Formats: sequence, C-alpha cells, structure tokens
Amino acid sequence: RKEVEQDPGPFNVPEGATVAFNCTYSNSASQSFFWYRQDCRKEPKLLMSVYSSGNEDGRFTAQLNRASQYISLLIRDSKLSDSATYLCVVMGSYNTDKLIFGTGTRLQVFP
Amino acid sequence: ETGVTQTPRHLVMGMTNKKSLKCEQHLGHNAMYWYKQSAKKPLELMFVYNFKEQTENNSVPSRFSPECPNSSHLFLHLHTLQPEDSALYLCASSRTDRGNEQYFGPGTRLTVT
Repeated sequence: RKEVEQDPGPFNVPEGATVAFNCTYSNSASQSFFWYRQDCRKEPKLLMSVYSSGNEDGRFTAQLNRASQYISLLIRDSKLSDSATYLCVVMGSYNTDKLIFGTGTRLQVFP
Repeated sequence: ETGVTQTPRHLVMGMTNKKSLKCEQHLGHNAMYWYKQSAKKPLELMFVYNFKEQTENNSVPSRFSPECPNSSHLFLHLHTLQPEDSALYLCASSRTDRGNEQYFGPGTRLTVT
C-alpha cells in the first residue's frame, strides 16, 4: 500500500463549481498534514496546513479524519486559475523531518 | 519570489560529466532538502540536512553527493549520471521547530544524455 494515496484525476469542472479531493495515508502515527499546489513545470507551493479541527482559507477548506486516515480539500467557486495539480503531503511520526508526497490530483477548471 | 533560489534552472550533461546544483535559502530556515521529481511519480526525498548535519539519505546512489556548508546553502554534486537520472531536482527549506512547512525553489531540470 502506498504511504500517501490520491486519485490522479483529472477532475474537469466548470468555473464556479465546488470540487473535493480526498487523500489517504497509511501511517497512523503521522503528525502533520499539508496540501501543496503545483502548476505545470513549476515547483510545489504550500497551499495550506491541515489541522485536526479542520481549517478554512477563503474558498479552500481542509479536513482531517484521523480515525479513517484521510485528508480532504474542498474548493468552492472554482476559478480558472485553480487549475493545477494538488499534492497531499504527510509528515511521519515524531522526530522526523521527512515529508511524504502523494502523486497529486490534477484539476482542470474550464470556462 | 526569492525565498529559495536554485541554479542552474536547466542543465544538460553527458554521462561522464561532473556538475553541481546549487540551492540557497533566504528564509532563516534550519533544514534543507533535495527532492527528485520524475514524470508521473511523486516527489522522492533524496537528502535532508538539519543545521548542516545530514539527517536523511534515502538510499540515494553515490553518483549524487550532497554538501551543506551552512544552513543557507546546499549543493548536489553529480558525476557519472545515467539517462534515468533525468528529472526535475527540487530544493526545499523549512523551520523544523514550526510545523515543518517546506518552501521549494524553482528546481533544476536536468537532462542526462
């Protein structure tokens, strides 16, 4: 089983739509969770950290379900500029600097 | 954005060449990382340095040799590479005492011929 698993997509959605991505992780001792965004041929950029209580940043909402070991990202009112690959990232147990990246979910927003 | 810079941005080298990739971070971070990103694969962690000390070597072949002279600079020395080493090499840095959110440089796109 992969350490971090994501549906590769692509998700093709119209502008204004709401879209959700899920990600599962295998290590129940994982402590920190992130969503990164990567545009084509560019570096990954931190979108948001994911907290146990869930968190929201504008149109983006992240949730963590420790019992089921999954993380979600909800994007409301999609914009053309949201088109990118969204990477689910998990940090391992305590005392590690190691981040484990998923392969990413590709989102394409069309007019 | 100049938080993490990498040079060169593109590199083409033959299998017998020796070259080095350079990374510099201006964020006051204590940890630096090298990642490899190949097509259709997730980012692969190669090396981690924390306060200049290597804390992780993810079974990387010896033809890749990292060097971290201080917390702001990181190098990746390359020699006798193989065509399958062609990839995007990304450097990142973080403050490990603050959630370890990692910030990436633009990467070096390496082609081995």
